Amino acid sequence: EIVMTQTPLSLSVTVGQPASISCKSSQSLLHSDGKTSLFWYLQKPGQSPQLLIYKVSSRFSGVPDRFSGSGSGTDFTLKISRVEAEDVGVYYCMQGIHLPHTFGQGTKLEIK
Amino acid sequence: QVQLVESGGGVVQPGGSLRLSCAASGFTFSTSGMHWVRQAPGKGLEWVAFISYDGSNKYYADSVKGRFTLSRDNSKNTLYLQMNSLRTEDTAVYYCATGGWLDYWGQGTLVTISS
Repeated sequence: EIVMTQTPLSLSVTVGQPASISCKSSQSLLHSDGKTSLFWYLQKPGQSPQLLIYKVSSRFSGVPDRFSGSGSGTDFTLKISRVEAEDVGVYYCMQGIHLPHTFGQGTKLEIK
Repeated sequence: QVQLVESGGGVVQPGGSLRLSCAASGFTFSTSGMHWVRQAPGKGLEWVAFISYDGSNKYYADSVKGRFTLSRDNSKNTLYLQMNSLRTEDTAVYYCATGGWLDYWGQGTLVTISS
């Protein structure tokens, strides 16, 4: 089973400031097709998770461009260029290259 | 728009059974693999199971293998999760989610295992 490790586990950010979350996998997430199967989700308070980023760096439909994903192999990062109040919640990375799919522990973002 | 509506949750004693359903609309269900993911109270996300678009391939987390069974009815656009031999550690909100990316999620249904 691939272990996903997120840091930090909590983040307090002032509105308008940037934020960054790291996700490391215990094995490479590079598929034989050249694509890397790393996803980012946001679970807002009281809601279901929603897909933000797929395959490392592609924003899902409707996701603001202040969200960006980067990385390769086993090291990945989610960045928010300017945090807004609506961005609060728990962020999860997930690997989709092998079953069982596995999630990171989650990073809770709050507004300072 | 894509809609996933889970149902069937409730309170069950340890050792009991439940059948969850996930009614899908707004996309071509019959060509989409589907996942179940659960979230214990106050905890993170745990992948539970996956079924391929035609039901021919099914995968389970070790924690539920042999106790949970996935099925689907493409004529009814509905996904099912039969849960047997339930344990207290199965208490969670259960979400269904679409496709390889888990790009859309339902609102979840709460399963509580308690005596």
